[in-house]
Amino acid sequence: NAGVTQTPKFQVLKTGQSMTLQCAQDMNHEYMSWYRQDPGMGLRLIHYSVGAGITDQGEVPNGYNVSRSTTEDFPLRLLSAAPSQTSVYFCASSSSGTGDYEQYFGPGTRLTVT
Amino acid sequence: GESVGLHLPTLSVQEGDNSIINCAYSNSASDYFIWYKQESGKGPQFIIDIRSNMDKRQGQRVTVLLNKTVKHLSLQIAATQPGDSAVYFCAENKWGGKLIFGQGTELSVKP
Repeated sequence: NAGVTQTPKFQVLKTGQSMTLQCAQDMNHEYMSWYRQDPGMGLRLIHYSVGAGITDQGEVPNGYNVSRSTTEDFPLRLLSAAPSQTSVYFCASSSSGTGDYEQYFGPGTRLTVT
Repeated sequence: GESVGLHLPTLSVQEGDNSIINCAYSNSASDYFIWYKQESGKGPQFIIDIRSNMDKRQGQRVTVLLNKTVKHLSLQIAATQPGDSAVYFCAENKWGGKLIFGQGTELSVKP
């Protein structure tokens, strides 16, 4: 049971390049989400998904795209990287079940856009 | 819009003392809050949660208090240890696994 995994751990992009940040979970969680964290700030929600085939925007969706074709995977695409997207990106998953609740976070991807 | 905020960006305590980290929220309809601990270079880690039908919830060395009248919650850490040094966030948990985070309080524990 690996929990939530993210790849890559680090990435440097040039302005205008595109890339995909990978996120996978092996806990059969319905809910998955992407956050970004800027220095000295809390996490801000980019996009989220409540199940395979269902996604929606969060607080800061501009410049990012998501899709969810399977329960396990929730990739985040940067369409045309900008310096303002330099940040640490966290993927999270949680269950929609009742009872004790916990949201699991991945280790993060540190992205620098030059 | 909705917001969740913390009162102090930094808190320094002596090892063995109790720590109290505060958080305020703006939406009176908010009904589920979670406290997270984030160590340097890692993702947030769940500490404890509380729903609006409770005023207090206790875990191992941690207690969360919720005051719905003034829209305030606090995290109390008993007998603070060096391993407790981290940034602490309160977050409102909304349907669909969405979290609205506050800005965080950095806790430093002096030996």
